[in-house]
Amino acid sequence: EPEVTQTPSHQVTQMGQEVILRCVPISNHLYFYWYRQILGQKVEFLVSFYNNEISEKSEIFDDQFSVERPDGSNFTLKIRSTKLEDSAMYFCASSTQGVGTDTQYFGPGTRLTVL
Amino acid sequence: SQKIEQNSEALNIQEGKTATLTCNYTNYSPAYLQWYRQDPGRGPVFLLLIRENEKEKRKERLKVTFDTTLKQSLFHITASQPADSATYLCALAASWGKLQFGAGTQVVVTP
Repeated sequence: EPEVTQTPSHQVTQMGQEVILRCVPISNHLYFYWYRQILGQKVEFLVSFYNNEISEKSEIFDDQFSVERPDGSNFTLKIRSTKLEDSAMYFCASSTQGVGTDTQYFGPGTRLTVL
Repeated sequence: SQKIEQNSEALNIQEGKTATLTCNYTNYSPAYLQWYRQDPGRGPVFLLLIRENEKEKRKERLKVTFDTTLKQSLFHITASQPADSATYLCALAASWGKLQFGAGTQVVVTP
């Protein structure tokens, strides 16, 4: 069964450094998402992406964050200058349609630790 | 503001019994509601979607109800097994494709 994959599984970085989290969505999916989950808290929406554009973003997704689909398979989340509070699990998800009835398939996550 | 509330306390249940989880929401008028399972350190896995015109939806040992008057969904795991131990998340589509999740309820099934 097709799966969303994410790399790396764990990323440790120093505060102020840039990080890029990578995702390979399911191949025939057109809609892509990033969510994050701070330890012990709920899964929070960051951004949705379709047709090489951001469809929607949350208040969390400020100028320090950016997303890109650099080629036909990868979908990346970049954090320009990491803060301690960026430490969280980051989940990529994809779906065939961007509607609320569509199933979103989540990757296993990248644990980001900012020191 | 829109809120989704789930029981924050873990639900401890004996194997073979039925687990019932609650999801309440405010300031939404959702046409559908979704339930996901999340294991520790893993991403959410979709389980069931129920539409506003569906009172009940079943999938194997899982059953979901949706009461738009009460603004509540109930999630049942019948004949529970230790492998059902996980956190179960309720989610609403806050807008086009964007999911808003509840905090989840942890279920622990003991043999």
